[in-house]
Amino acid sequence: EIVLTQSPGTLSLSPGERATLSCRASQSVSSNYLAWYQQKPGQAPRLLIYGASSRATGIPDRFSGSGSGTDFTLTISRLEPEDFAVYYCQQYGSSPRTFGQGTKVEIK
Amino acid sequence: QVQLVQSGSELKKPGASVKVSCKASGYTFSMNAVNWVRQAPGQGLEWMGWINTNTGNPTYAQGFTGRFVFSLDTSVSTAYLQISSLKAEDTAVYYCARGFSSGCFDYWGQGTLVTVSS
Repeated sequence: EIVLTQSPGTLSLSPGERATLSCRASQSVSSNYLAWYQQKPGQAPRLLIYGASSRATGIPDRFSGSGSGTDFTLTISRLEPEDFAVYYCQQYGSSPRTFGQGTKVEIK
Repeated sequence: QVQLVQSGSELKKPGASVKVSCKASGYTFSMNAVNWVRQAPGQGLEWMGWINTNTGNPTYAQGFTGRFVFSLDTSVSTAYLQISSLKAEDTAVYYCARGFSSGCFDYWGQGTLVTVSS
């Protein structure tokens, strides 16, 4: 099973700042099948990025994903008020699908 | 538009069973797998497995075998999650999610809270 470790656990930033979230895999993720999700309290997760760097339908271009192999990054170029949430990475290159433990982006 | 609509919250006693439904609309049901994801209170996301909507064949992640059953009623584009012999530790929000692009999840149900308490 691939273990995904996200860092930091919490990121305290102000609106307008840049957010950089990390996701490290315990072994290489096949075909860079790595996704990122955003979850707000009381809501279902929302797909942001798939295939490590492809934005899902309707996702603003301030969200970008990069990386390959075992190291992946989600970048939010300029934080909007609605971006404060928990972010999860997920690998789907092998079974079982696994999620990271999440990074909370909070208002500083 | 694509929608997955789940059944409402459930309060069950230990040892009982529960069946959660996930009704799909806005797309051809047989074209995408349905996955199930659990989120315990205040915790992260845990993939439970998936069901092939063409064949009805389920695949369960480790830890979700035995008491957990995925099923379909393709005539009404609905997937089901049944949990038997409920325990307090089954208390969680259960999500269904549509499979996309080899295994991520592009549309999610709103979640169903299952509370197990005596």
